Amino acid sequence: KAGVTQTPRYLIKTRGQQVTLSCSPISGHRSVSWYQQTPGQGLQFLFEYFSETQRNKGNFPGRFSGRQFSNSRSEMNVSTLELGDSALYLCASSLLPGAPNTEAFFGQGTRLTVV
Amino acid sequence: AQSVTQLGSHVSVSEGALVLLRCNYSSSVPPYLFWYVQYPNQGLQLLLKYTSAATLVKGINGFEAEFKKSETSFHLTKPSAHMSDAAEYFCAVSTYGGSQGNLIFGKGTKLSVKP
Repeated sequence: KAGVTQTPRYLIKTRGQQVTLSCSPISGHRSVSWYQQTPGQGLQFLFEYFSETQRNKGNFPGRFSGRQFSNSRSEMNVSTLELGDSALYLCASSLLPGAPNTEAFFGQGTRLTVV
Repeated sequence: AQSVTQLGSHVSVSEGALVLLRCNYSSSVPPYLFWYVQYPNQGLQLLLKYTSAATLVKGINGFEAEFKKSETSFHLTKPSAHMSDAAEYFCAVSTYGGSQGNLIFGKGTKLSVKP
């Protein structure tokens, strides 16, 4: 069974540009979460989607947005990129949200570098 | 509000020695706690989880963790370190319902294993 697929794996963008990252969850999984990982702040929760609806959002500015499609694939978008947005962006998928015995499986991440 | 603190950003052990990675949590409700491992340029892999069923939790690759409410701790141990255990380890707490889709992570502990 295929794992969580994130594309692209690496991305270089210029300050002020916008970027879209994609996440394809494991087949049958309907919940997708996004995390930002940086050396300074560590792993921080961005948002969680289930059935095309955002269930929770972390403490990030409005430049960070996301969506989920009917096939459970998710995208996140960052507009007006800043140098501090350089990070590894991780996507995790699980069967259902809110269930403690439902494991979240992480993708390998997209490494975004803003120059 | 929930939080986790990992003591020691770097831990170095010899091959065959005991591995002990420390995690303390803060939670206003009974916590759901997790340990994840991250290898270089990879996503996160779940090692084990505490969901109030048993205080001693056994995970993959010979790791285990004990939930101690009186000490608000959830330390990760492995009796004998292997070279392949070298990685970064993250303790996390779920912010609601035990869901792994909305996690608060510690800063991580990088484990080095010396031959």
